[in-house]
Amino acid sequence: AQRVTQPEKLLSVFKGAPVELKCNYSYSGSPELFWYVQYSRQRLQLLLRHISRESIKGFTADLNKGETSFHLKKPFAQEEDSAMYYCALSGQRGAAGNKLTFGGGTRVLVKP
Amino acid sequence: DVKVTQSSRYLVKRTGEKVFLECVQDMDHENMFWYRQDPGLGLRLIYFSYDVKMKEKGDIPEGYSVSREKKERFSLILESASTNQTSMYLCASSLRRIYNQPQHFGDGTRLSIL
Repeated sequence: AQRVTQPEKLLSVFKGAPVELKCNYSYSGSPELFWYVQYSRQRLQLLLRHISRESIKGFTADLNKGETSFHLKKPFAQEEDSAMYYCALSGQRGAAGNKLTFGGGTRVLVKP
Repeated sequence: DVKVTQSSRYLVKRTGEKVFLECVQDMDHENMFWYRQDPGLGLRLIYFSYDVKMKEKGDIPEGYSVSREKKERFSLILESASTNQTSMYLCASSLRRIYNQPQHFGDGTRLSIL
């Protein structure tokens, strides 16, 4: 079985401070990991995926297979980063591999 | 731009009613998904479909069924609504490829069962 755990339900940081959202997963094979974000009154949307190895809106995430983690980081948080963030895992290939298992979500609040 | 449209933003139904939630996407995506979103539990997959008339159970299919008669439309059916099915329901679609493709979400339907 695959599982995604986001231990923090709420993260509150000041503008300009670093922010790190933790994500741990349980899966025996080679997973694909994603971060999705939902801003206030907007749809849930993809933020980044580990196979792209890119930085989106200043966020980066590194897949650590040894620690089974995929933490999301940003060195200097901005007020517009306030949102709900979900870590998600896909553990299979083929048709069934297109489905995702989501974590419980972390709400980020960036204070001015 | 991919558009995933859910038929209702808010819906109020009574216990025991048969409830239909509709979702339409306009980008010819093979995959379609239904999730429910609850605080602290994140998104949980109810059912997904990777082709017309094809469906697979997700993690919490009990009390739900789905229908996919056309590629662009995926319906979620609550056979006999119960109060514990009060939730936000999200529909999503994606291309079907070897590697997981981004899922595109609708605005959601907030369903209340009284």
